[in-house]
Amino acid sequence: KAGVTQTPRYLIKTRGQQVTLSCSPISGHRSVSWYQQTPGQGLQFLFEYFSETQRNKGNFPGRFSGRQFSNSRSEMNVSTLELGDSALYLCASSMGHNTEAFFGQGTRLTVV
Amino acid sequence: AQRVTQPEKLLSVFKGAPVELKCNYSYSGSPELFWYVQYSRQRLQLLLRHISRESIKGFTADLNKGETSFHLKKPFAQEEDSAMYYCALVTTDSWGKFQFGAGTQVVVTP
Repeated sequence: KAGVTQTPRYLIKTRGQQVTLSCSPISGHRSVSWYQQTPGQGLQFLFEYFSETQRNKGNFPGRFSGRQFSNSRSEMNVSTLELGDSALYLCASSMGHNTEAFFGQGTRLTVV
Repeated sequence: AQRVTQPEKLLSVFKGAPVELKCNYSYSGSPELFWYVQYSRQRLQLLLRHISRESIKGFTADLNKGETSFHLKKPFAQEEDSAMYYCALVTTDSWGKFQFGAGTQVVVTP
């Protein structure tokens, strides 16, 4: 069974640009959540989607957005990139309520 | 709002010694608690969840609602236990929104 796949693995962007990250969940999983991991702030929850609907949202500015497609694949978009957005972005999928979350290997975003 | 606290950033122990990673949480309801582990260059993976009451790789964790703690313990540390450990909390009305602690780096030396 294939695990959670995130693409691309590495990205370098310039301040002011926008970026889209992709997450393919484990087959059959309908919940996808996103996290930002930085040395200073640790793992912070961005948002969670279930069956194409955003169910939960963290405390991030509106520049961070996401969506989920009918096949449960999810994308996360960050507009007007700032240096502080440099981080490892993790995606996790689960079957839904009361089930384990499986994590992808992450996308390392560097903003220069 | 819920909060997860892992007071130790780094734990250095000798092989064969006991290891205990502390995790305290704040939440007025009944949360689901987890321990996730991240080995070097590997993805974050589930180690334990409190409702399963299992022992995985020799690790156990007991949820103490009175002390709002979920400490992770292993009686005899092994070198392969060297990793980053995260305590995480989920509430039943916000499943999918994991609140993570800051993590504890465990280094087991021979």
